[in-house]
Amino acid sequence: DVKVTQSSRYLVKRTGEKVFLECVQDMDHENMFWYRQDPGLGLRLIYFSYDVKMKEKGDIPEGYSVSREKKERFSLILESASTNQTSMYLCASSFYVGQGDTGELFFGEGSRLTVL
Amino acid sequence: GDSVTQMEGPVTLSEEAFLTINCTYTATGYPSLFWYVQYPGEGLQLLLKATKADDKGSNKGFEATYRKETTSFHLEKGSVQVSDSAVYFCALGRRREKLTFGTGTRLTIIP
Repeated sequence: DVKVTQSSRYLVKRTGEKVFLECVQDMDHENMFWYRQDPGLGLRLIYFSYDVKMKEKGDIPEGYSVSREKKERFSLILESASTNQTSMYLCASSFYVGQGDTGELFFGEGSRLTVL
Repeated sequence: GDSVTQMEGPVTLSEEAFLTINCTYTATGYPSLFWYVQYPGEGLQLLLKATKADDKGSNKGFEATYRKETTSFHLEKGSVQVSDSAVYFCALGRRREKLTFGTGTRLTIIP
């Protein structure tokens, strides 16, 4: 069974703290993604990665960074958390099916972050 | 840029009612179109997809047809069940695995 695991389901942090959200997939997928989900806004792409040590900005990268040192692991980093980063964060992965095509995304269960 | 617009919720229906959730898109070229579903407390999972015009995706009794002339991909089900209660997301994929999602529609089915 395919599996995307996010390290924490719920986190509470204080303004200014550095926050790490970890995501691991066991499907040998090339592509990994971080989205945030907010009511009324749907899912918005923060960063994605097509390969190890490779990253690309999504639609809302400001205030975030990512790390992909190993194929199975994709970390989202909030260098200095702010209250407007309170949200649900969803990690996803997919395999590469060819340029111009779009494969199925497999999602983790999400990490709900509250910044006080 | 790419965008997806889906009907605002929440939507509340009685069991066995007919369901339609509207989705329209804006994109250049020939994107793939998807419906994802999020059950309470879970991540999203793919419900169905269509990769070219006039394709019909189907799964679990749900259907959606890729209509290029109206840039739409409406989700339908003939008879909904309580277990269909979830949030439904329409999405568009235009280049290399990156998806653009709509805002989601919360569906509640009452017995």
